[in-house]
This record gives sequence, structure tokens and C-alpha cells, in this order.
Amino acid sequence: GAVVSQHPSWVICKSGTSVKIECRSLDFQATTMFWYRQFPKQSLMLMATSNEGSKATYEQGVEKDKFLINHASLTLSTLTVTSAHPEDSSFYICSGTSNNEQFFGPGTRLTVL
Amino acid sequence: AQSVTQPDIHITVSEGASLELRCNYSYGATPYLFWYVQSPGQGLQLLLKYFSGDTLVQGIKGFEAEFKRSQSSFNLRKPSVHWSDAAEYFCAVGLMEYGNKLVFGAGTILRVKS
Repeated sequence: GAVVSQHPSWVICKSGTSVKIECRSLDFQATTMFWYRQFPKQSLMLMATSNEGSKATYEQGVEKDKFLINHASLTLSTLTVTSAHPEDSSFYICSGTSNNEQFFGPGTRLTVL
Repeated sequence: AQSVTQPDIHITVSEGASLELRCNYSYGATPYLFWYVQSPGQGLQLLLKYFSGDTLVQGIKGFEAEFKRSQSSFNLRKPSVHWSDAAEYFCAVGLMEYGNKLVFGAGTILRVKS
């Protein structure tokens, strides 16, 4: 199956700093990538849909200025959490689509102190 | 609105026993349905999917699921559970008209007792 990687797998940062998370499709081209957020013991909540070469589409309630998404190529999307605060601590998962199927990255654990 | 319901938050089964995880969906069109498994701190792994055709779908690790349109259900089954199956299982419906967006259920945590 198609493989998606995320980097870093975990990150700890100070409140007020920005953190960038990379999502790469390793063996396929992903025109569309999705970013999810998962709180402990909860389901995945879609944050935004990222299309290569265009602006991301954010779900209702997600601050686009807080969570900057860039999809510069068919194999790379980045999520930048700007001015992170402790409430942004979460597990962030990306996925890329191929043939109507989403392939998920392993996730990035963000902890904001 | 589209939604997925997994009515069981936790399920505990004995190793070797059979398993059924329930999933009901609400969606106006023909659904694309998925089951994923997530181990602690990990991403999601696809177990199986239904797009069309045979309503009984075989997946990896000995799992299967049956699509029942009349019941709006897509229950996951396994005849004999192994301790390594302990994980969280998510059912999802794919919204093809929205660029393949997935709507996930709340998940079911499976515990396996020896």
C-alpha cells in the first residue's frame, strides 16, 4: 500500500513558539492531503483539506491563521501551529489520497509547555 | 448530515472468542465505508473497505465486514480474536463528493483477555 510519513513523530515546544509538521507521500502523488487532530481517547477530527497548489479548506471552528497549511508539491504538505499554546497539545495525523482511499501517516505528538 | 455511530465504546473479549464491532452510518448517497485500526500512539491502518459489489468484504488480519444497506450498517467481525488485536477500531464513511473526506465514528476500544 501507499506510504505516508510524518516528521517529527513527536515534538515538545514552549508556549508562544511555532511548530512545523511535515507530511510526505513516499510512493505516490497526493493531490489532496488531509490534516486531522486527535485528542486523547477521542476520534479523529478533520481540521483541513489541503490541495496541491491551492489554499487549504478549513473545517468549521478551525483557525486558519493558527494552523497554517501549505501543500507545495504532490508529495509534501506542512502544518504549522503558530504561537502554540498548551491547548494545542494533541496528536496530529495527516493522510494522502490515492484511488479514493486515504493513507495515513503515523502521527505527530505535539506537547506545548 | 453525515455521521457514523459506533455504539460500543469498550468491548472486552476472551482470546479465541469471536468478535463483532458495530457501525451504523447516516449518509444520503451510496457510501464508501472503511474500518481502521489504531494502536496506542500510532497512525491508522486500513483493515478493509467497501466501495461497491459484494457486500461481504474481507480484510487483513482475518477481519471481515458486511455492508447492510437496509440497516445502514457495516459491522466488523473476526471469528477468533488474538491478543494482538487489542487496539482501537474506527469505522468511517467516505464523502466522495467532498473530495474523499472521511467522517469517523467515535471508535471502539477492544480489550482481549487471556
